Amino acid sequence: SQTIHQWPATLVQPVGSPLSLECTVEGTSNPNLYWYRQAAGRGLQLLFYSVGIGQISSEVPQNLSASRPQDRQFILSSKKLLLSDSGFYLCAWRQSPDQETQYFGPGTRLLVL
Amino acid sequence: AQSVTQPDIHITVSEGASLELRCNYSYGATPYLFWYVQSPGQGLQLLLKYFSGDTLVQGIKGFEAEFKRSQSSFNLRKPSVHWSDAAEYFCAVGANFGNEKLTFGTGTRLTIIP
Repeated sequence: SQTIHQWPATLVQPVGSPLSLECTVEGTSNPNLYWYRQAAGRGLQLLFYSVGIGQISSEVPQNLSASRPQDRQFILSSKKLLLSDSGFYLCAWRQSPDQETQYFGPGTRLLVL
Repeated sequence: AQSVTQPDIHITVSEGASLELRCNYSYGATPYLFWYVQSPGQGLQLLLKYFSGDTLVQGIKGFEAEFKRSQSSFNLRKPSVHWSDAAEYFCAVGANFGNEKLTFGTGTRLTIIP
């Protein structure tokens, strides 16, 4: 069966510090991978998605970036965090091209102070 | 482009009462439709999905949803809620071919009172 992991679970970072959040999927190959952000009391905002190694599509211009160095690894990064980057970050995967369903990881709560 | 509207931000129901959460979508063709549930501090769990066929779909935890093309709706129902159903519920729509993304509604927070 497939499993998706995210770490860290919780992170508190000062403004201006760098960020690296990691997402890995087990039990599948060549999945589509997604990064979402959920601000307090708001819905899900798609940040990035990837259909393959090194292929990243950005949905929202911001100071965040994403990378996919390996087939089942998706990384969300920032060089300098802003207060507005605080939120709950969710990674999701989908087995393309046959299935439309996205499956979500447990999330990372980021607080920028 | 597709869009999803969940008109109810917050709903409160008594334990044992019936539940209906509303979802309206906008999409030019037959969409893929999903309901997810999120407990506090957790990721999203898939409750059910509709791709084609029978318009009444059954999901986990006793939930069901009905696709109504004429109303562009995909409302979630449960005949008798339990205290453990308290959570945030998200409706999502996807295109039926070639599109890699889902569009989510803003969510409905469900509170259960004794």
